[in-house]
Amino acid sequence: GAVVSQHPSRVICKSGTSVKIECRSLDFQATTMFWYRQFPKQSLMLMATSNEGSKATYEQGVEKDKFLINHASLTLSTLTVTSAHPEDSSFYICSNLALGETQYFGPGTRLLVL
Amino acid sequence: GENVEQHPSTLSVQEGDSAVIKCTYSDSASNYFPWYKQELGKGPQLIIDIRSNVGEKKDQRIAVTLNKTAKHFSLHITETQPEDSAVYFCAAKGGAGNMLTFGGGTRLMVKP
Repeated sequence: GAVVSQHPSRVICKSGTSVKIECRSLDFQATTMFWYRQFPKQSLMLMATSNEGSKATYEQGVEKDKFLINHASLTLSTLTVTSAHPEDSSFYICSNLALGETQYFGPGTRLLVL
Repeated sequence: GENVEQHPSTLSVQEGDSAVIKCTYSDSASNYFPWYKQELGKGPQLIIDIRSNVGEKKDQRIAVTLNKTAKHFSLHITETQPEDSAVYFCAAKGGAGNMLTFGGGTRLMVKP
């Protein structure tokens, strides 16, 4: 299956700082990528759809000014959590989109905001 | 929008036994149903998927069945091994919005 990488794998930051998470589609060009958030013992919740060369589409309830998404190339999408707070602590996972429907996920980034 | 229900939430089996996880979906337009395995601290890994034009698909010890009329699909794992222990998620896609909607997950524990 398609390979997706994320960096960093885990990050600890102070409240009020910003954190950038990178998602790379390693073996094919992805015009569309997705960002999910997963709280402990819960399912994956879609945050936004990242579109190469255009603005991201955010799900209802997700603040676009807080979770900045940039998809500047066909292999890289970034998620920046701005002014992070403890409630933003979560597991953030990205995925690419292959053959129009199959999604392969990255290894995830665990964010802890102190 | 699409709603996917998954049962059971936890499942404990003895090594060598079979495990079955069931999911139902609400949007009859959904036509793609993947299953993911997620190990602790890792991202979900696609293990098998099925499309609505197929009723059953098998890959070694893993099989998935789909009943479009009843809008439910199931994952079957035979001859379970301790390394099968993980959280399994079903998902559905193809309905309104064409987004992947996940079930709540099943924590499978295989006892050696």
